[in-house]
Amino acid sequence: EIVLTQSPGTLSLSPGERATLSCRASQSISAYYLSWYQQKPGQAPRLLIYGVSSRATGIPDRFSGSGSGTDFTLTISRLEPEDFAVYYCQQYGSSRTFGQGTKVEIK
Amino acid sequence: EVQLVESGGGLVKPGGSLRLSCAASGFTFSSYSMNWVRQGPGKGLEWVSSISGSSSYIYYADSVKGRFTISRDNAKNSLYLQMNSLRAEDTAVYYCARGSGGYYYGEHLDYWGQGTLVTVSS
Repeated sequence: EIVLTQSPGTLSLSPGERATLSCRASQSISAYYLSWYQQKPGQAPRLLIYGVSSRATGIPDRFSGSGSGTDFTLTISRLEPEDFAVYYCQQYGSSRTFGQGTKVEIK
Repeated sequence: EVQLVESGGGLVKPGGSLRLSCAASGFTFSSYSMNWVRQGPGKGLEWVSSISGSSSYIYYADSVKGRFTISRDNAKNSLYLQMNSLRAEDTAVYYCARGSGGYYYGEHLDYWGQGTLVTVSS
């Protein structure tokens, strides 16, 4: 099973700042099968990024994904108030596993 | 508009059974794989099971294999999860989620329902 480790566990930032979230896999992820989801309290997860760097429908361009092999990054260029949430990475190249999440909180 | 609405959650005793349903609308249900993902209280997301559009391919997480059964009825646009021999650690919100294609492999989860809570406790 591919284990995904997200860091940091919590990111404390102010609106307007840049957020950089990391997702590291225990083995190489095939064919760029990595996605990112956003989850707010009491809500279902929402797809942000798939295929490492493709934005889902309706996702603003301040969200971007990058990486390859075992190291992946979600970047939020300038945090808006609605971006404070928990973010999960997921691989879907070998079964499906999620990272444990990174909480982006208001500083 | 894609909509997924889960139902069937509730309180059940350890060792008991429960059947979850997910009603889908706004897309051609039979053309997409479907999935169950759960989230324990205060915890992260855990993939549970997937089924291809034609039901030809079915997959389970090791934690539920042999206890849970996923199925679908394309005529009714519905997905199901039969959960038997429930344990306290199965307590979670269960989400149904659509796969981005019809099979399973290489498909991200593009739409999610709001979830249904399953509590396993005596």
